[in-house]
Amino acid sequence: AQSVSQHNHHVILSEAASLELGCNYSYGGTVNLFWYVQYPGQHLQLLLKYFSGDPLVKGIKGFEAEFIKSKFSFNLRKPSVQWSDTAEYFCAVRPKAAGNKLTFGGGTRVLVKP
Amino acid sequence: GAVVSQHPSWVICKSGTSVKIECRSLDFQATTMFWYRQFPKQSLMLMATSNEGSKATYEQGVEKDKFLINHASLTLSTLTVTSAHPEDSSFYICSANRGLERDTEAFFGQGTRLTVV
Repeated sequence: AQSVSQHNHHVILSEAASLELGCNYSYGGTVNLFWYVQYPGQHLQLLLKYFSGDPLVKGIKGFEAEFIKSKFSFNLRKPSVQWSDTAEYFCAVRPKAAGNKLTFGGGTRVLVKP
Repeated sequence: GAVVSQHPSWVICKSGTSVKIECRSLDFQATTMFWYRQFPKQSLMLMATSNEGSKATYEQGVEKDKFLINHASLTLSTLTVTSAHPEDSSFYICSANRGLERDTEAFFGQGTRLTVV
């Protein structure tokens, strides 16, 4: 079975700092990749997704992610975070052979200090 | 964007009783919906795939008699936790995909926090 690993459980940083969250998956076939964000008290929202094409994907709110197939990675980045980026971030993988089933990583809680 | 709504947002029930959670796609039809469970400080774990007009498909280790799923229409799936016990306390989240089955993003409900006392 595929698995998704997020390296950091908690990240604390100051405003304007750069953010990078790691995500690795174990699945040999073709996958779709996603990053979701869950703000306190809110539902999961899609930040960005990769299906095919340019491996550098730009999402909402200044986030981007790079798919590196050889490393089975899909790391999320933001050059300069804001206090409002405080949230929990989930990487998710959807093997093309699995229909629409998503496998989530463990999540990373990000706290941005003002 | 598409909206998926869950009801209730939170529920407290006594041990041994059953609880029904609804998941509705408000502005699109969904032949398939997904139910996840999220334990505190943990990730979402897929419990089952709800299929309109047919039986749900459960993930390994999920008791189908414990977690009854009914997908009565193209906009509604329900999850009933039967004979709930404290260990069933968790955050339950549903999702639905808009449009074609493949290559579409999932939209998530706001979740239902179940506490069994």
